[in-house]
Amino acid sequence: EDKVVQSPLSLVVHEGDTVTLNCSYEVTNFRSLLWYKQEKKAPTFLFMLTSSGIEKKSGRLSSILDKKELFSILNITATQTGDSAVYLCAVVANAGGTSYGKLTFGQGTILTVHP
Amino acid sequence: DAGVTQSPTHLIKTRGQQVTLRCSPKSGHDTVSWYQQALGQGPQFIFQYYEEEERQRGNFPDRFSGHQFPNYSSELNVNALLLGDSALYLCASSLYPGVYEQYFGPGTRLTVT
Repeated sequence: EDKVVQSPLSLVVHEGDTVTLNCSYEVTNFRSLLWYKQEKKAPTFLFMLTSSGIEKKSGRLSSILDKKELFSILNITATQTGDSAVYLCAVVANAGGTSYGKLTFGQGTILTVHP
Repeated sequence: DAGVTQSPTHLIKTRGQQVTLRCSPKSGHDTVSWYQQALGQGPQFIFQYYEEEERQRGNFPDRFSGHQFPNYSSELNVNALLLGDSALYLCASSLYPGVYEQYFGPGTRLTVT
């Protein structure tokens, strides 16, 4: 069974700090890894990573994938109170020979940024 | 550009009842997936619809069923509700099944009493 584990489960920091969120996975026939930010209800898409070692960046957020060690990290620099949210990691695998885009999620990391 | 919309926002039902949740995908998307998110957990895949057919299914009982209409909108039906069905139900759409980037709606909060 596909498995995605995120750590830490929760994190409390102050504005300006840099945080690193971790996501490890055990899946059959990995295809891609996605990061989402969930503030109230709808998860919003951040990054999709398919190749090892290529960093994706968007403003203060960046992410990288290591397909050999089966993990990804999400970095947020100079954190702001608006970064407070649940960060979800999801993996697409191709276990059954199809790639219909089923996302298997981790349990999420709750990030709280204090002023 | 309209994003993914879901209705209703909140719903309260009694054990044993049936419920129908609705989803309209993002403009231009023809693939809809449904997820269940229990409190404090990540979303769990229920099933995915494309071309009005269920293409893939997660580990959910037959009480959970769905439908996709010619305009790509979708419904999730849950029969014989249990207390454990209380959760946030999220709908996500994508351009087509092979595109993994999925866009989520705001969800329907279902409470079963």
